[in-house]
Amino acid sequence: EAGVTQFPSHSVIEKGQTVTLRCDPISGHDNLYWYRRVMGKEIKFLLHFVKESKQDESGMPNNRFLAERTGGTYSTLKVQPAELEDSGVYFCASSRRGPLLNTEAFFGQGTRLTVV
Amino acid sequence: DAKTTQPTSMDCAEGRAANLPCNHSTISGNEYVYWYRQIHSQGPQYIIHGLKNNETNEMASLIITEDRKSSTLILPHATLRDTAVYYCIVPPPPEGGSNYKLTFGKGTLLTVNP
Repeated sequence: EAGVTQFPSHSVIEKGQTVTLRCDPISGHDNLYWYRRVMGKEIKFLLHFVKESKQDESGMPNNRFLAERTGGTYSTLKVQPAELEDSGVYFCASSRRGPLLNTEAFFGQGTRLTVV
Repeated sequence: DAKTTQPTSMDCAEGRAANLPCNHSTISGNEYVYWYRQIHSQGPQYIIHGLKNNETNEMASLIITEDRKSSTLILPHATLRDTAVYYCIVPPPPEGGSNYKLTFGKGTLLTVNP
């Protein structure tokens, strides 16, 4: 079984440009999450999808960030326009449907975004 | 959210058991205790979780005190590859039955020494 896949693994863009990160969850996992780790800080929750619906986007930093999950399969996280403070590692995770307090989340290897 | 408290760092000799403590004195009756770890530059990795009973899997054992206010993650035979930051997490109860928000604190940096 393939794990959670994230693409690209690294991205370096200039301030003001647009970047789109992609996450392919484990097949059959309805729940998909985005997290972010900014340099020197803790891993922070960004948002949660159940299938194609956004269940909780309370962690999204501002309206420069747009997450989508059309069709309830893979998800994209677009940053437009990117700012220097957006640099960090973006993690995606997925978990299967079911009692959410009794199941684990599987994380991808992350996308390291550097805005220069 | 139930707040967790962990030591900042710990050391362990290779081949010995690593015992990582976690305090979660404000945990409520239906909240699980989860342990994840992050090996340098990799994505967080699930280790184990439990509610009130002790749990064991191929990676580790989780011992939860009877009052559920603290727990200990045990790696029975630590290897160099177990060097990582270990996170003890108590996710909040779901809102509307559909939330699962992991709150990562600073965790414990476990260093396994040869």
